[in-house]
Amino acid sequence: DGGITQSPKYLFRKEGQNVTLSCEQNLNHDAMYWYRQDPGQGLRLIYYSQIVNDFQKGDIAEGYSVSREKKESFPLTVTSAQKNPTAFYLCASRDTGGLETQYFGPGTRLLVL
Amino acid sequence: GQQVMQIPQYQHVQEGEDFTTYCNSSTTLSNIQWYKQRPGGHPVFLIQLVKSGEVKKQKRLTFQFGEAKKNSSLHITATQTTDVGTYFCAGRSGGYQKVTFGTGTKLQVIP
Repeated sequence: DGGITQSPKYLFRKEGQNVTLSCEQNLNHDAMYWYRQDPGQGLRLIYYSQIVNDFQKGDIAEGYSVSREKKESFPLTVTSAQKNPTAFYLCASRDTGGLETQYFGPGTRLLVL
Repeated sequence: GQQVMQIPQYQHVQEGEDFTTYCNSSTTLSNIQWYKQRPGGHPVFLIQLVKSGEVKKQKRLTFQFGEAKKNSSLHITATQTTDVGTYFCAGRSGGYQKVTFGTGTKLQVIP
């Protein structure tokens, strides 16, 4: 069963703590993306990666970090430098050889305690 | 930078009424995609338009790409409660590596 998975579904962070959100895909897609969605808002791009071992900042990268050591994995770390991390985080992947279609994971809701 | 706006932000319709959302880009787009996000869910791809003036239909949904490739619309005929959700457009301009998502239109359908 192919797809894109994110874990955990809900995550609680204490002040000053770094947390890492997992994103895994078995679609053999080259490109992967992280978005942040706030209540009633659109999708804002945090980071994206077009190929393994390479990634680019999106529109709101401050306070976040990523790695792309494997094609199927693109974890996002929300650092303590991100002052307002409470949001819904969505990971997506895309086949760069085909349409622009992005396939989204189910998302992780991050709450700050 | 590339900006993509959608109007309206919210729309409440009576079941059976039609619904239209409009997407406007600050730059000419190479292509445009439409996604639907159900409440509590994640965006799901609906369709991609590439050609100037292109019109595509999916059952009760009609998608249109403007002649100047700077705007697009999604029209739903005779809405049903299953149409509830937020509709996003997303587009890429020729000089950009990444796609920019629109601000979204949240549709509520009153039974």
